[in-house]
Amino acid sequence: DSGVTQTPKHLITATGQRVTLRCSPRSGDLSVYWYQQSLDQGLQFLIQYYNGEERAKGNILERFSAQQFPDLHSELNLSSLELGDSALYFCASSAPPNREGGYTFGSGTRLTVV
Amino acid sequence: DAKTTQPNSMESNEEEPVHLPCNHSTISGTDYIHWYRQLPSQGPEYVIHGLTSNVNNRMASLAIAEDRKSSTLILHRATLRDAAVYYCILRRSYNQGGKLIFGQGTELSVKP
Repeated sequence: DSGVTQTPKHLITATGQRVTLRCSPRSGDLSVYWYQQSLDQGLQFLIQYYNGEERAKGNILERFSAQQFPDLHSELNLSSLELGDSALYFCASSAPPNREGGYTFGSGTRLTVV
Repeated sequence: DAKTTQPNSMESNEEEPVHLPCNHSTISGTDYIHWYRQLPSQGPEYVIHGLTSNVNNRMASLAIAEDRKSSTLILHRATLRDAAVYYCILRRSYNQGGKLIFGQGTELSVKP
């Protein structure tokens, strides 16, 4: 157990639907990052939150949005789903800014859009 | 974000040392060198990181060239469980909005 919890582990849904992926960071970590990994694209950085505020954006589609709540858990919302959104979605967390170190990744949510 | 260049794949024999190279000729003075690995169907796992000096931990060693334009991840005795994709990543410090941008990595296979 890495300390980063992602739910659900698996999700199967139809095109056009909306889903929410949840991430609880490791205790004490203030930053949360979301990544998408599909077979043909590798690990793509989507978005970063720090203590409730958006800090950096990557290749995140307009149909996708995220937020980080006061208890520091984060949710990634994916809407108007397309077949191409099928992928593994990883969440990671990291320590406060004055401590350089590694990210801790969760075990991911496997999304299948049919 | 500065880019890194790694071989697509490497092979090793079990219980032998493995040296995984990484070139990062455009590294800036504040970039940290991070290494992660990803086993099949798992999330990436932090291995090691460094700034200028060589680093050792229980998993591996990181050797950084004096000009910092290249680095090498050293697994001292490869095991079958070390078979994974290894990513070398440059990361800005936290205060500069550092985030990890993954490249294609090196797929390491370990033969018994």
